[in-house]
Amino acid sequence: DVKVTQSSRYLVKRTGEKVFLECVQDMDHENMFWYRQDPGLGLRLIYFSYDVKMKEKGDIPEGYSVSREKKERFSLILESASTNQTSMYLCASSIIGEEETQYFGPGTRLLVL
Amino acid sequence: AQTVTQSQPEMSVQEAETVTLSCTYDTSENNYYLFWYKQPPSRQMILVIRQEAYKQQNATENRFSVNFQKAAKSFSLKISDSQLGDTAMYFCAFMKHGASGAGSYQLTFGKGTKLSVIP
Repeated sequence: DVKVTQSSRYLVKRTGEKVFLECVQDMDHENMFWYRQDPGLGLRLIYFSYDVKMKEKGDIPEGYSVSREKKERFSLILESASTNQTSMYLCASSIIGEEETQYFGPGTRLLVL
Repeated sequence: AQTVTQSQPEMSVQEAETVTLSCTYDTSENNYYLFWYKQPPSRQMILVIRQEAYKQQNATENRFSVNFQKAAKSFSLKISDSQLGDTAMYFCAFMKHGASGAGSYQLTFGKGTKLSVIP
């Protein structure tokens, strides 16, 4: 079974802090994604990556950056956290040739005070 | 750009009954996938069912089936014999099929429907 893990289930940070959210998948997937989930808004794509060191902006990239130095790991970075970035963050991955199937991690619930 | 609309923010159903969740979408694409994802409380998002737009036959997975109306751009999910474990947020999602470029892998989600199964 594909396993997508996220470094923290819950995280509390202060406004202005630099925040790192980590995602790791164990199935050698080329594609990885970061979504943000808010009540009443569904999931919105922040960034995705289709290879090491490659990234593309999603629908809401403002205030975020990403890093993919190794194939299995995709990091979401909040350079200076703000209260409007309080949210649930979901990571997902998929393999080339089966891009229609994305596997999701358990999510990180981030609270910015 | 694609949009996905789920018009029912919350629904409830009695255990063992049947419930239908609605989803409509807007796209100019001809080839695409449609999905229903399930997110149980505090648990991982999982794929429930998938439909390829070029297939006329509606997809089924055990107690879950879809009613795909391509011309109407409608994609509803029917859950038969509802069980307590079906309590979850359900998201309808869209993905372009076979497009080139990294952006072709992007999922567009609806806002979700919260389903409660009542004992």
